[in-house]
This record gives sequence, structure tokens and C-alpha cells, in this order.
Amino acid sequence: DTAVSQTPKYLVTQMGNDKSIKCEQNLGHDTMYWYKQDSKKFLKIMFSYNNKELIINETVPNRFSPKSPDKAHLNLHINSLELGDSAVYFCASSQGLRELAKNIQYFGAGTRLSVL
Amino acid sequence: DQQVKQNSPSLSVQEGRISILNCDYTNSMFDYFLWYKKYPAEGPTFLISISSIKDKNEDGRFTVFLNKSAKHLSLHIVPSQPGDSAVYFCAASEDSGAGSYQLTFGKGTKLSVIP
Repeated sequence: DTAVSQTPKYLVTQMGNDKSIKCEQNLGHDTMYWYKQDSKKFLKIMFSYNNKELIINETVPNRFSPKSPDKAHLNLHINSLELGDSAVYFCASSQGLRELAKNIQYFGAGTRLSVL
Repeated sequence: DQQVKQNSPSLSVQEGRISILNCDYTNSMFDYFLWYKKYPAEGPTFLISISSIKDKNEDGRFTVFLNKSAKHLSLHIVPSQPGDSAVYFCAASEDSGAGSYQLTFGKGTKLSVIP
């Protein structure tokens, strides 16, 4: 039973389209994250939500909007897709408590987005 | 500006020998360090971690060493097995507030264990 699941696994779309990536975790965690792994293989934090509240919002274009309907889900909506958005997007979750050992993050398998 | 650096993009080791993966960081606010392992087409999987108040943590074949003064950590795998072949990411954590910990990742080191 997958702990952090993302859909779809692959997403190929045209420039200018709007698309969404869904993420769900069944670990009972309070905090969820979105990361982007670019062509240089760097994994960079994009957003973090704790109990449906936005905590981290790195310098990401406002075309990217995370939405958390409940603490088990954090979806990523991307408007007006650009070529540079092509990357692998990873969702993650953690217990999010104020104890260092609780900040271990568990990752989904990733969504490979290709913008043509 | 890379705050977490893994300067070796790849490493090849003979099966049964020790693998040593290195990681350097620059941000003194990091207080927790983690190693993740990643197979192709999968997400990173947590492997082992260490708090900044310790200098060593061991879990089976995996040991992580932390040298705070040098801002350096290393992952030792002994003995190395072919199934250990993967990309290893070093990550450092700092408290972003409200129960959220921001992980900063290195670029990864691809380990190949040769049978």
C-alpha cells in the first residue's frame, strides 16, 4: 500500500495549457511538500503545507498554485505551462512536529512533466 | 548558491568493499542531516539521518559521520552490495516554522557496486 502516491506518473502537454498533479498520503502526516527536480538533477523545495496551511513558498512563479483540500492531499496546479516547467515533480510528507527526528520526509514516485 | 554540495557525481566500488559518500554544507543553521537513496523512476527513500548534536549514527551496514567544524558529513556503507547501486542524496534540514522543515538537497552521487 503506497504511502505517498502521485498521479499521473507521466504528463505530456502543450505549452500554454493548464494541468494538475495530485498527491495523497496515507501516513497521517501533518505536513506535505512539493519539490521540483530540474534537468541538472537538483531537488528543490517549492511549497510546504502544514495542516492545510501554506508554510513555505519558495520563489516559484505564481502560475504554480498548490491546493490542499485536507491534510492528506496536496495538489499542484500549473497554469500557462512553459517549456522550462519540464521537470520531475515530487510530492513528500512528514509528521511535521517540532522534533528534529520528525522531519524525515517520505516521497512519492514523482511525476515527469514534459512541456512541448 | 549551493548550500549542500556533493562533489563526486559518481562512485564505483567493488562488492564487499566500503563505499564512502561525501557531503559538504555551508549553512550553519542546518540542524539535521539526512541521506536518501533513489532508484530510477522512483522517489527518494529515506536511509539514515543524524542530528547536529551527534557525530555518528549507525544503522546496520550504514553509518553517517558528521564533522560540524568542517561542515562535512559522510555516509559509509560496509560491506557494499550490488543492490546498493543507486543515486544517494545528502540533505540538510532547518526549521521553517509551524512544524515544517525545509530540506536542502545536494546534487546526488551515483553509486555503482560492481559484483
